[in-house]
Amino acid sequence: ETGVTQTPRHLVMGMTNKKSLKCEQHLGHNAMYWYKQSAKKPLELMFVYSLEERVENNSVPSRFSPECPNSSHLFLHLHTLQPEDSALYLCASSPRPLPMNTEAFFGQGTRLTVV
Amino acid sequence: DQQVKQNSPSLSVQEGRISILNCDYTNSMFDYFLWYKKYPAEGPTFLISISSIKDKNEDGRFTVFLNKSAKHLSLHIVPSQPGDSAVYFCAASGAGTGFQKLVFGTGTRLLVSP
Repeated sequence: ETGVTQTPRHLVMGMTNKKSLKCEQHLGHNAMYWYKQSAKKPLELMFVYSLEERVENNSVPSRFSPECPNSSHLFLHLHTLQPEDSALYLCASSPRPLPMNTEAFFGQGTRLTVV
Repeated sequence: DQQVKQNSPSLSVQEGRISILNCDYTNSMFDYFLWYKKYPAEGPTFLISISSIKDKNEDGRFTVFLNKSAKHLSLHIVPSQPGDSAVYFCAASGAGTGFQKLVFGTGTRLLVSP
């Protein structure tokens, strides 16, 4: 396995469901990120973890809850989502978060549809 | 307010010709710029970057130019190949001691026809 792996690739959930997105990186990186890509919008940074501690939270609604149990794994727990939360959720990692003068390596994303 | 703008949502080029993708930014504190390429059903992959101390960086068929006074950068692909057809994202980050996040543009879809 190489790079950044995200599961599931596709997810359809109802507004009352609880689900989790999973991300795993095999690059030995110390920083992991969740991004959201909505149609015709730029990638939006949601959360940043550095060495398993959250260092950035871009005013994301509490219905999105991240978890970083170790430097290789990152989760995004979802509950009571809205249809407008339907988007592509991308996980990324980088060798270091400070400063961000380095490229991030992205997973393939989870295409989330909230019905 | 978008700090990184890619005003052309799409670009069509013939194989063998040059592709020029443009990006403008508004934040003068940005000092590192990157281009990512994204194929359908895949995550973005890093392509090339440039630091603000340079005005040009070249890697094979890909060259990025930076004009700091105009707050403009461009990606040149020459010669263009059908496999270059993808969405290209421009991204920027700033200097400073704190965390500096990547700010992305909306992307330009490049189509290279045989």
